[in-house]
Amino acid sequence: GENVEQHPSTLSVQEGDSAVIKCTYSDSASNYFPWYKQELGKRPQLIIDIRSNVGEKKDQRIAVTLNKTAKHFSLHITETQPEDSAVYFCAADLNTGFQKLVFGTGTRLLVSP
Amino acid sequence: SAVISQKPSRDICQRGTSLTIQCQVDSQVTMMFWYRQQPGQSLTLIATANQGSEATYESGFVIDKFPISRPNLTFSTLTVSNMSPEDSSIYLCSVAGQGAISGYTFGSGTRLTVV
Repeated sequence: GENVEQHPSTLSVQEGDSAVIKCTYSDSASNYFPWYKQELGKRPQLIIDIRSNVGEKKDQRIAVTLNKTAKHFSLHITETQPEDSAVYFCAADLNTGFQKLVFGTGTRLLVSP
Repeated sequence: SAVISQKPSRDICQRGTSLTIQCQVDSQVTMMFWYRQQPGQSLTLIATANQGSEATYESGFVIDKFPISRPNLTFSTLTVSNMSPEDSSIYLCSVAGQGAISGYTFGSGTRLTVV
């Protein structure tokens, strides 16, 4: 089955710096890769996603890149702000036709003012 | 995206008892998914609930422990049976986006503490 590894587990940056979180997956048949942000005590929220036919996608300060050959994808946050502090999860679909996602282990991002 | 109402939001239960968690979606969806998130951990899929058929459980999860109902296209329940302290977790229901595969929307979660 699919296995998703995520690094780093924690990331501390200064406000205004960039943050990069990386994930690798094992199933070459996966073709959908979302990223979720989970603030303390709240539900995960989808922040950006990418499909296998696209190499990069941007939405304001966040971007995701995908390297299908290497089976890894990354989340990039530029000009970080304290409100970006949260736990971020990557995920990959199981490509079973049943829309199941496997989640990475999470990255706790702390942005200091 | 779909709006999911999940309840209860939290509960403290005695070991050996059962708790049923409910999720109501504001639109009809084919698949509903139940996840467990242990403290400080990632999300682990428990089962997939398809209306009109038995739920499909992931490795490590069994129907006797986590029975699921899916009576219609907008509602599902997850029961945590014969609870032990190890069942203390956040339980979340979710639905996939409409059309082609897309991101999940999650319910607000149920924080369960077993004492």
